[in-house]
Amino acid sequence: QKEVEQDPGPLSVPEGAIVSLNCTYSNSAFQYFMWYRQYSRKGPELLMYTYSSGNKEDGRFTAQVDKSSKYISLFIRDSQPSDSATYLCAMSVAAGTALIFGKGTTLSVSS
Amino acid sequence: DAGVTQSPTHLIKTRGQQVTLRCSPKSGHDTVSWYQQALGQGPQFIFQYYEEEERQRGNFPDRFSGHQFPNYSSELNVNALLLGDSALYLCASSLRQQETQYFGPGTRLLVL
Repeated sequence: QKEVEQDPGPLSVPEGAIVSLNCTYSNSAFQYFMWYRQYSRKGPELLMYTYSSGNKEDGRFTAQVDKSSKYISLFIRDSQPSDSATYLCAMSVAAGTALIFGKGTTLSVSS
Repeated sequence: DAGVTQSPTHLIKTRGQQVTLRCSPKSGHDTVSWYQQALGQGPQFIFQYYEEEERQRGNFPDRFSGHQFPNYSSELNVNALLLGDSALYLCASSLRQQETQYFGPGTRLLVL
């Protein structure tokens, strides 16, 4: 079993849809949780980070962490074609240490 | 404010050769981490440098080595290249013990 599992998709939605992206993990020591967006042939761009359990909102993006279920989510409201990218979840045991990534979910938003 | 920069952008090598990749961290950052991203996979942690020393290492063989300079820039060296080393090599910078790591655009290495 991999430490971080993420459905690779692809996920296709129409413009304006609500998108839900998810990861599960097995290491209960993870405390820091991130979501990165990666456009084709580019480096990952940090979208959201959360410490421990809870919710965090930033514009159209909401990140949720449920440590009891070892499950994290990213919600994108009013999705736009410019949101079409690969979304990577990442997590670490301590601040600033190695990030363990999921495989990434490829999202396509059609206009 | 310059972000993380990496050079070169692309590189083609043959099996058995050696390669050096370079990274300049975001202004104000002192910690550099290197990741390998194979096609269709998430990035995998190689190692992290802080104060010119390797602080943490992932599950990569000794063929992968690195260095950090006094100006916080870093190099990743890979010896005896294998076909399986073909990947996007990403550098990420951060402030020591801060949770957020910022990635550069990567160097795409092709081993023939």
